[in-house]
Order: sequence, then C-alpha cells, then structure tokens
Amino acid sequence: DQQVKQNSPSLSVQEGRISILNCDYTNSMFDYFLWYKKYPAEGPTFLISISSIKDKNEDGRFTVFLNKSAKHLSLHIVPSQPGDSAVYFCAACRSARQLTFGSGTQLTVLP
Amino acid sequence: SQTIHQWPATLVQPVGSPLSLECTVEGTSNPNLYWYRQAAGRGLQLLFYSVGIGQISSEVPQNLSASRPQDRQFILSSKKLLLSDSGFYLCAWSIGQNQPQHFGDGTRLSIL
Repeated sequence: DQQVKQNSPSLSVQEGRISILNCDYTNSMFDYFLWYKKYPAEGPTFLISISSIKDKNEDGRFTVFLNKSAKHLSLHIVPSQPGDSAVYFCAACRSARQLTFGSGTQLTVLP
Repeated sequence: SQTIHQWPATLVQPVGSPLSLECTVEGTSNPNLYWYRQAAGRGLQLLFYSVGIGQISSEVPQNLSASRPQDRQFILSSKKLLLSDSGFYLCAWSIGQNQPQHFGDGTRLSIL
C-alpha cells in the first residue's frame, strides 16, 4: 500500500510561471513532511519541510502547504526557472526515523 | 560542514556475484544512516536504517544486508546478486528524528 502518492508523473511549466507539485498521503500519523529535488545520476537534495503543526512554510521561491484534513501536501515554486527542472519527491515521517517517499514528479520548466 | 560519500558511482556486476557498496559521513557524530534503492521509474524505497554501530533495521526482505562497523560508515552487501537488484542505490544520513535526510550521489548498479 502506497502511503505517499504523487499522482502526476510529470509537469511542464513556462519559465516565470508558478509550478505546483502535489502529494497525497494516507497515514494520518505522519507529522513531518519534506520535499526533495533530484537531478539525474545524483542523490536527492533536501528543499523544504513542514511540521504538521503548521500549514505553510516558505523559503525563498519555495512554499510548502499542508492540508491535514485533506491529507494533501503541495510545493509551489514561484517564479519557475529552467534550473528547477528535476524530479521532485515528497516524503513523510511519523515521529520515527524512516521517511516514506512518493514516486516523484518530473518538472520541466520551459524557457 | 557535513559531507557524505558513496562509492563506486557506477557498478556493473554479473548475476550471482557479491556486492559491497560503501558510504561514509564526515563532520557529524552518531548520525542515523539509511540505504535506499530507486528502481527505474519508481520512487525511493528504504532498505535499511541504522541508529548506531552494529544496529541495523531492515525494511524489506531481500538478499541484501547492511552493516555499520564504525559510527560513520554504512555498508550495503550481497552474497549473490539477482537481476532484480539493478537500480540506483542511495545512502543518506540525518541527525535524528524528524530531521531532513541528506543524500549521497548514489551508485548506479547494473546486473548482467
């Protein structure tokens, strides 16, 4: 059973516009959520996280929103840049050490 | 600052051969350490994690094993590789619970 789902395998956005990456989870015990960015042949790079006691966290062009009632997480990138093109993974944790990852969304930012 | 090293970057092995992938972390003490695998077109699957020397937890049954002989060293092994072991293997560390995990650059393993 996939507890963390990224239903869009790919997303294309024009440079300068907003990119919205979505993630859904099923385990209500998750209390910490993260987004990672991954380029080909490299390890994922941590981007931003949010605790379940918050509904929004912002870091520069990246904002993560958490809707606990909907069990939904999203990452907004504004403005999108070509260098943002990568695979984005959401991950969730439940006061333990392990992260559960989604399957990833390939973001392509078109110049 | 902390760094994590994985090697080799790529590896081609025949079916039935042994495997040893090494991961080391610098700049921190007593990190939590993790091994993940990303199969082609799929997300990251946690294989093993360790909270201390000699302490290994396995998340999925398989023909792989992990060991932590030193505080900042994590090794992924197999006695006999299967075709299904092909994938991208990632080592990661974190300073504790509910903390971001930081990944190495990964090892691309191809089984022939």
